[in-house]
Parts: sequence; C-alpha cells; structure tokens
Amino acid sequence: SQTIHQWPATLVQPVGSPLSLECTVEGTSNPNLYWYRQAAGRGLQLLFYSVGIGQISSEVPQNLSASRPQDRQFILSSKKLLLSDSGFYLCAWSVDRGYSPLHFGNGTRLTVT
Amino acid sequence: EDKVVQSPLSLVVHEGDTVTLNCSYEVTNFRSLLWYKQEKKAPTFLFMLTSSGIEKKSGRLSSILDKKELFSILNITATQTGDSAVYLCAVFSGSARQLTFGSGTQLTVLP
Repeated sequence: SQTIHQWPATLVQPVGSPLSLECTVEGTSNPNLYWYRQAAGRGLQLLFYSVGIGQISSEVPQNLSASRPQDRQFILSSKKLLLSDSGFYLCAWSVDRGYSPLHFGNGTRLTVT
Repeated sequence: EDKVVQSPLSLVVHEGDTVTLNCSYEVTNFRSLLWYKQEKKAPTFLFMLTSSGIEKKSGRLSSILDKKELFSILNITATQTGDSAVYLCAVFSGSARQLTFGSGTQLTVLP
C-alpha cells in the first residue's frame, strides 16, 4: 500500500532563517505531488504541484520554492522566512491518472518567530 | 476565480443527532467534488462525486451532488464523538488537476 511521510512534524524558526521541509511517498511510481498551506480556520491553499521529476508549477508568488529531485521526493524550501510564512504545511500525492483523490501527509506546523 | 463555499462554518450537536453539511461551488469546467475529514493532522479522503443524483455511502456517512444547482451535501446519521472534525469540500476543475478547497465546517459532537 502507499504511504506518505512528511517531516518534521513541528518547527519553530526565526525570521530570516532558511527552511527545508521534506516529503516522500512509498508504494507508487510517478505520483503527482503537491504542497498546500492551511492557515488557521481556513481551507487549503495550493502552493506547488509537480507531475514529474524537475517539473514544478507554482500557484502563489512568494518567497517559497519547491523541488522534486527524485520521483517520490518533494521538498519545500525558503532562503529567508517571513512571519507570514507561519502555518500548517501539507504534502499530498495522487496517482497520475485523470482526476484522482489526493492523499495527505500528517503536515508540518511551522511557527516563524 | 474558482470558489468553494461551505456552510455552516461550525456546528455543535449531541451524539445520535443527524447533521447535514453543505458545499456550493462556482468553478470553470467542473470535474468532480471531493469530501475530506480532518481531525488533527492529515485530511482523510471520504468521497468523490462526479455525477448528479448518485448517492455515495459509507456507513453512517453519505453524500450527493447536484450539478445543476452547483452544490453537494454530506450527511452524517447517528453522530458519534469520533465524528468531531473539520469536514472539507474540494472541487477539481479545469485541466490543471488542482483542487480548490472550501474553508471547512467544524463539527463538534458532544456526548
């Protein structure tokens, strides 16, 4: 069966520091991969999605970036965090076939101080 | 811009009650509508609806889609405290395979 791992679970970082969140998927090949952010009391906002290695689409202009160095690895990064980057970050995957449900990791709670 | 609106924003009921959660949408090129349950961390997938009038059912949960009126409902019968969660509605639209999420309904079931 397929599983998704996301780490770390929580992170407290000072403003201006770098960020690296990692997500890996097991049990499937060539998945679509996604990064979402969820602000308190709000729905999920799509940040990036990827349909293959090195293929990244950005939905929201900001100081975050994403990379997909391997088929089942997705990384969210920032060179300098802002206070507004605080939130709950969720990685997700779906099969590369039509409009398939997304399956989410357990998320990373990021607090920028 | 695609929009998904859920109501109510929050709901408090007692065990055994039946609840109906609403989701309306305005999107271009609708493909399908999904429901998720989010307790503490990861949203977990409940249903995907593509056609109008066909009820999806899983235990005490059921959902139906009306593509003419652009809405869906999620019903939970005989609620239990374990049903307490945020329920998220999301819509696939267009060709980019992206989900647009609503803000969710916070359901609290009291013993």
